[in-house]
Parts: sequence; structure tokens; C-alpha cells
Amino acid sequence: TAGITQAPTSQILAAGRSMTLRCTQDMRHNAMYWYRQDLGLGLRLIHYSNTAGTTGKGEVPDGYSVSRANTDDFPLTLASAVPSQTSVYFCASSDDHRGTDTQYFGPGTRLTVL
Amino acid sequence: DAKTTQPPSMDCAEGRAANLPCNHSTISGNEYVYWYRQIHSQGPQYIIHGLKNNETNEMASLIITEDRKSSTLILPHATLRDTAVYYCIVRVSFTGTASKLTFGTGTRLQVTL
Repeated sequence: TAGITQAPTSQILAAGRSMTLRCTQDMRHNAMYWYRQDLGLGLRLIHYSNTAGTTGKGEVPDGYSVSRANTDDFPLTLASAVPSQTSVYFCASSDDHRGTDTQYFGPGTRLTVL
Repeated sequence: DAKTTQPPSMDCAEGRAANLPCNHSTISGNEYVYWYRQIHSQGPQYIIHGLKNNETNEMASLIITEDRKSSTLILPHATLRDTAVYYCIVRVSFTGTASKLTFGTGTRLQVTL
């Protein structure tokens, strides 16, 4: 299985433009997450989804939106990008097998907003 | 989630065991100890987790002290590919409800020839 895939690998985006970061998992995990990682900082949660059809806000949700139309896909949209959204974005999913929710991460998308 | 303390960096010779400590003195009874690592420019990778018993898998062993206030991740035969930042995370585990992972600064492990 592929696990979690993210696209694109990297992107340079002009400020004010919109963009959707794609995330797909083939593990049939219920929960999915979007984190951002900035230089010198840990990962911060942007949005999450417990299951298809539901989403929730993390600690840094402003400027981002998500949708969860099905189990496998969890796209992250920047409606009008700003330079402070320059970051590396990681998608993750988790199962609740054996009573614990281990999270598995994708390879990341490196986004530069100019 | 309980706070963790890890040394900022460690070195290990290739082929030797790497022992990475983590202090979590305020851990609660229902909190698990998770270990992840992040190799440069890649997504975090799950390694192992445990509640109170020692755990072993194909990647590593996790030793948790009896009082659960500290733990050690052991990579039995470190290789150059194990060079990464290792994160110890203590958290309540949820089922059916998404919950964030809080990554601290971790331990940067450098494996050398």
C-alpha cells in the first residue's frame, strides 16, 4: 500500500492566489489531520477530521479550510495565500487499532508564498 | 498532555546501541508514551508506543520505568539512516476522536562511522 500521499511536493505561490494541497490515504483510517511545520518550530495542527463528513479546527486554522467528502481524501485549501503561510505542510491519518490512535504522516508539501 | 524533557542532541557510533532518554515526571495514569522521529525534510515517522510495559518492535525497544516518570528508546544497532530528530510524546490516547500530537524540540541523534 502507498500509505499517505501528498501533492504537490513543492509549490511557489503568489500572495493572494488560492491553492489546494491534496492528501490521500489508502489505509481506511477514520481520522485525518493537517499540520504545518515552520523552521525552528514543532508541528502545529491546522485542521482535523474524525471521520468522513466531519471536520474540526486545530490550533492555527485561520486562512485555511478543509473538507472530507470521503474516507480517503482530505484536501487543504488556502483561499488567499499570504507570506506567513510559507511552511512545510504535513498530512497525517490515524487508526484506533488496539485502543490507541497512532498517527502516520505523508511526505509533506513545501509551500512558498511570495 | 504531560510535558516531556529530552536532551537536545546525542551522538552514536554506527553499529552501537542508541539509548535516547525522555523525562515525563507529570505523566498521568492514562497517558501513553509515543516515540516518533523525523529524518531531514521528511514527514514524522511513528516508531513505538507504550503505557507501562516495555515494548519491542522491528524498529526499536521502549523501556518505561516502573513509576512511569521516564522512558528510554533503544535503537539496538544504529545505522547512518537512523540520523534524525527523535520526539518523545506523552498523551492520552483517543479512539474515535482525532487528537493532535504535540511535538517538542526532540533529540537530534547523529550516527557516525
